[in-house]
Amino acid sequence: DVKVTQSSRYLVKRTGEKVFLECVQDMDHENMFWYRQDPGLGLRLIYFSYDVKMKEKGDIPEGYSVSREKKERFSLILESASTNQTSMYLCASSFQTYEQYFGPGTRLTVT
Amino acid sequence: AQKVTQAQTEISVVEKEDVTLDCVYETRDTTYYLFWYKQPPSGELVFLIRRNSFDEQNEISGRYSWNFQKSTSSFNFTITASQVVDSAVYFCALSELNTGGFKTIFGAGTRLFVKA
Repeated sequence: DVKVTQSSRYLVKRTGEKVFLECVQDMDHENMFWYRQDPGLGLRLIYFSYDVKMKEKGDIPEGYSVSREKKERFSLILESASTNQTSMYLCASSFQTYEQYFGPGTRLTVT
Repeated sequence: AQKVTQAQTEISVVEKEDVTLDCVYETRDTTYYLFWYKQPPSGELVFLIRRNSFDEQNEISGRYSWNFQKSTSSFNFTITASQVVDSAVYFCALSELNTGGFKTIFGAGTRLFVKA
């Protein structure tokens, strides 16, 4: 079974803090993704990576950056957290353009 | 441009009723994949099915069935004899193989409530 894990289920941070969200997958998938999910807006792609050290902007990259130093790990970084980044963050991985496997999500609250 | 529309925002049914979740997609690509995912209250999206654009055969898996019709650009999902455990948000999604790169477009989701 594919397993995607995320470092935290719930996280509370203060405005202006630097926030790291970590994601690890164990299926040797080359593609990894970060989404945020907000009520009424569905899933929105923040960034994705198709190989180590490679990254592509998604639909809403502003205010975020990513890092992929190893194939199994994809990190999302909020350089200076703001209240409008309060959301559910979902990480996923896939082989080629096949189905994505999702982690349990991190519910981030920025106060 | 690629687009996935799930017109039903919320559906409420009583246990044992059949329910169909609609999905309509738009694509200019001739080669693509369609998917359905389930997101139960626990929050983790779970992959249910993948269909490629060359395979219009309907699929049945237990109480779940999927109807793919290229002529109407639809990929509908039916749950037969619904159960309370089917309560979740269901997402339809599209990946274009030739022009979409690695991106998958998700519909807005349909929230299904199954009442006992």
